[in-house]
Formats: sequence, C-alpha cells, structure tokens
Amino acid sequence: GENVEQHPSTLSVQEGDSAVIKCTYSDSASNYFPWYKQELGKRPQLIIDIRSNVGEKKDQRIAVTLNKTAKHFSLHITETQPEDSAVYFCAASKRTGGYNKLIFGAGTRLAVHP
Amino acid sequence: DSGVTQTPKHLITATGQRVTLRCSPRSGDLSVYWYQQSLDQGLQFLIQYYNGEERAKGNILERFSAQQFPDLHSELNLSSLELGDSALYFCASSVAGGHYEQYFGPGTRLTVT
Repeated sequence: GENVEQHPSTLSVQEGDSAVIKCTYSDSASNYFPWYKQELGKRPQLIIDIRSNVGEKKDQRIAVTLNKTAKHFSLHITETQPEDSAVYFCAASKRTGGYNKLIFGAGTRLAVHP
Repeated sequence: DSGVTQTPKHLITATGQRVTLRCSPRSGDLSVYWYQQSLDQGLQFLIQYYNGEERAKGNILERFSAQQFPDLHSELNLSSLELGDSALYFCASSVAGGHYEQYFGPGTRLTVT
C-alpha cells in the first residue's frame, strides 16, 4: 500500500547550522510532494512543495530535492533559527481525476538551540 | 489565519456517543479534506470532498461519515465513539481537487472519556 517513511524522528541543531530531513515513498506513481511545518498547538502550514517534473526547488533558506529513481525527497533548511523549531511533515500524493490524497510521513521534531 | 474555520475548538464526550465536527472552507475553495492527528499515528487522511461529491477516501472507519453541503461547508460525523478516537481533527481546503495547496483549519480536539 501507499506509505511514506520519514527520518529522523527528532533532530537537534545549533542555531546557524543546516538541517536535513529525508522521506521515502512507496508508490512510484506519486507526483506531488509537499512539506508542512506544524508549530506546537497550531495547524500544519505548507512551507514548500515540489512536483515530479522538477528535481529541486528553493525558497530562501529552505530547499527540497527529489530523486524519482530512488523514490526519496529531502528538505534542507540552511542557517537555522530558533523559530524554525517545529514538527515537519513530508507528504506524497498522485493526482488522479482531481483527487489529492496526501499520505504523510510520521513527522520530524526539529529543535534549534540558540 | 488560513481562512478555514472549524467548530467546536474542543469537544469532550463519553464512549458510545455521537458528535459532529463542522468545517467552513476558505472563500472560493471547492475541495475539503478531513485529517485525524493522534500522538501515535501522525496525520491520517480520512476523506476528501469536491464541490459536494466524495472524491477520495483514506482509512476512515465505518463509524465515521462526512458530507459537503451546497454552501461548501462540511461536517464529519463520528459515532459509537471509543477512547481511541480521541485526537485532533483537522479540516483543510483547496481551490480545486488536484495538486493545490491545502490550507488547514485550527482543528477540533476531541476527547472521549
């Protein structure tokens, strides 16, 4: 069945360091890969997404890379700041007739220490 | 604020009871999604509606049902509640049914005692 594995489950970095979170998906037909950030007690918010026709996408300090052959994608955060501390979820879906069933990874709790 | 509203914010009820969670999507969004978030299960997709029609189903229990009304608001009905149904239930909406950003509501925290 459809599955998304996410590693690591927790990540602790010093302010200014880089953080990398990796996800692997099982369904080779998946073609859309969003990343959500969820701060404590708040709603998940989309921070970046990538489609299968693109290998890399950047938005300021965050970037996502996709390797379709290996079926994995990664989130890279550079120059981390304390406000980056949150739980990050990767997800994968395949577009079929206007439906968008997101399968989420289990989440990575990122802690950025000043 | 995402523009998606959910009521109630908190709900405490007993096992065996039935509850209804309500979601109003962002203005102009036609698609609504329901997710369950519990401590040990992460974010689980339950069901998607697009313009009143069911479009996709996840691991939604038979005790759960949902619908989207002509004004596009949606309701998630949970019946014969069990302790394990305690979770945060999120609604999300997007402009259409494909690969568009999903905007999440603030969630409804359900506690079954």
